[in-house]
Amino acid sequence: DQQVKQNSPSLSVQEGRISILNCDYTNSMFDYFLWYKKYPAEGPTFLISISSIKDKNEDGRFTVFLNKSAKHLSLHIVPSQPGDSAVYFCAAKGSGGSNYKLTFGKGTLLTVNP
Amino acid sequence: NAGVTQTPKFQVLKTGQSMTLQCAQDMNHNSMYWYRQDPGMGLRLIYYSASEGTTDKGEVPNGYNVSRLNKREFSLRLESAAPSQTSVYFCASSPRRNTYSNQPQHFGDGTRLSIL
Repeated sequence: DQQVKQNSPSLSVQEGRISILNCDYTNSMFDYFLWYKKYPAEGPTFLISISSIKDKNEDGRFTVFLNKSAKHLSLHIVPSQPGDSAVYFCAAKGSGGSNYKLTFGKGTLLTVNP
Repeated sequence: NAGVTQTPKFQVLKTGQSMTLQCAQDMNHNSMYWYRQDPGMGLRLIYYSASEGTTDKGEVPNGYNVSRLNKREFSLRLESAAPSQTSVYFCASSPRRNTYSNQPQHFGDGTRLSIL
């Protein structure tokens, strides 16, 4: 039973355009959401996060939107750059006793074409 | 500026051999984690240590043991390796969560383990 779902295994966009990566979750106890970026042969790198008390968080070219009623979040990258080409993982953390553990989606491979 | 360091980076084992994967962090973090990543899968939590002296099972603990040696180091042991344990293993650390803020986990670059 996958609690965090990234339904698009891959996404291809042109340099300068917007990239939108989507993530759905099923566990209503999740209260903190993160996006990680991963290059080949490296570990995941934290990109941006959002708490469930917010619906938007912005950091430079990266914006994460959270729709709690739909249990959906998305990562927008504007403008996209070739260096953004990587696998992006959505992750979620619950409250209470399991508040240390992250649950990851399967990832979306983003390719930004020059 | 090392962050989370994992050793070794690559290893090939034969079925039935044992091995310990090492992880150390220099960020004074309280919590540490071991994940595995398989093709087409996200990262799955094997074990974690919320603080020095404690360890708990994650999603896929079978076939593994862990030791939180001190605040800096958290090792993962395969007692009798099986081909199903061929994977990329990531160690991560984070500050203990407090009431008013969340902190992301910081990852090492992984150990690529092949079991023949």
